[in-house]
Amino acid sequence: DTAVSQTPKYLVTQMGNDKSIKCEQNLGHDTMYWYKQDSKKFLKIMFSYNNKELIINETVPNRFSPKSPDKAHLNLHINSLELGDSAVYFCASSQDRGTSGRRFGNEQFFGPGTRLTVL
Amino acid sequence: RKEVEQDPGPFNVPEGATVAFNCTYSNSASQSFFWYRQDCRKEPKLLMSVYSSGNEDGRFTAQLNRASQYISLLIRDSKLSDSATYLCVVVDSNYQLIWGAGTKLIIKP
Repeated sequence: DTAVSQTPKYLVTQMGNDKSIKCEQNLGHDTMYWYKQDSKKFLKIMFSYNNKELIINETVPNRFSPKSPDKAHLNLHINSLELGDSAVYFCASSQDRGTSGRRFGNEQFFGPGTRLTVL
Repeated sequence: RKEVEQDPGPFNVPEGATVAFNCTYSNSASQSFFWYRQDCRKEPKLLMSVYSSGNEDGRFTAQLNRASQYISLLIRDSKLSDSATYLCVVVDSNYQLIWGAGTKLIIKP
């Protein structure tokens, strides 16, 4: 059973195009994330959503727009793609709040990644 | 100073040897700590949590030193399959995960 899935796995596109990456988790987690891992392998958080609400929005260009239709899905749309957007994008999820509302900072489960190449 | 720092390596280690690497963090209010493992062209996966009292799981031992603000990972009797990048993760006082850049480990036969 796939826990966190992403589509597509590979994405090759031209500069200036608009593309989307989809992410779904079937773990029942309340928090989802998008990370970017560049050629130097540094994993950098981009966005985090808790129960469809944006809670982290790091300094990323506004060409990147996350959308969370429900707490099991967090999609990433990228407008006007640039060469520097080439990277591996990972989606992740975690259970970050208990019934009392307390936050945990728990283990994150990652999707397999989407390798984006902008030509 | 970066919030979480790791020696990028690579650490080239013969099979069967013991290897250790550290991760330093800058925020003394950090709450919890993890080691993740990332294989080449794969996603990161949790290796182990790091408790104040230390944590051992088979050949792997994780330690926390709050006074000096670092965590360590020790791998005994290293196997070829241990070759990977090891990522240090620190949870700050806002429950946000701060990721280190990773230490690459290569186990040689």
